[in-house]
Amino acid sequence: DGGITQSPKYLFRKEGQNVTLSCEQNLNHDAMYWYRQDPGQGLRLIYYSQIVNDFQKGDIAEGYSVSREKKESFPLTVTSAQKNPTAFYLCASSTGGRGSDTQYFGPGTRLTVL
Amino acid sequence: SQQGEEDPQALSIQEGENATMNCSYKTSINNLQWYRQNSGRGLVHLILIRSNEREKHSGRLRVTLDTSKKSSSLLITASRAADTASYFCATDESAGGTSYGKLTFGQGTILTVHP
Repeated sequence: DGGITQSPKYLFRKEGQNVTLSCEQNLNHDAMYWYRQDPGQGLRLIYYSQIVNDFQKGDIAEGYSVSREKKESFPLTVTSAQKNPTAFYLCASSTGGRGSDTQYFGPGTRLTVL
Repeated sequence: SQQGEEDPQALSIQEGENATMNCSYKTSINNLQWYRQNSGRGLVHLILIRSNEREKHSGRLRVTLDTSKKSSSLLITASRAADTASYFCATDESAGGTSYGKLTFGQGTILTVHP
């Protein structure tokens, strides 16, 4: 099955801890994205990567970090510097390049800070 | 501020009725896309309309784009209870016709279709 997967589905974090959310795709897509969604809100872009070993900050990158060492993987670390991390996190991928196209989304990870 | 803003924020209709959602944006775009999200799930792409297109159809969906008014509408005809979801517009901004390579999402319209 081709697709984009995220794990875990639910994640609980204690204050002061860093946590890493996994995102994997087997669609052979160049571009990958991380979004944050708060209740009743739209998606806000955290980081995006248009090619391996390169990524750019989105609109709300503070307190987050990413890496893109492999085409298939784009993990997101929520650091202790992120003051309000409780949210629904969505990863997406697209064929990428400078042109625009459809984004394919994973099922999401719901992060709760205890 | 959000590039795409949907209107209304919530819409409640009966099965068989049509549902219309609107989206406004502020800057030049390459294209505008509509996505659907069932509660607690990822987004699913519905339709993409390019800046040089005015109308597009896909099954029971009809999307229009008015670049002079910087607005778009999504019409779902003959709605079904299974259409109940949140609907988001997303814009691919451009400068001089070149895409920035990322989408900006609006806050969404929550559609409820009663059986």
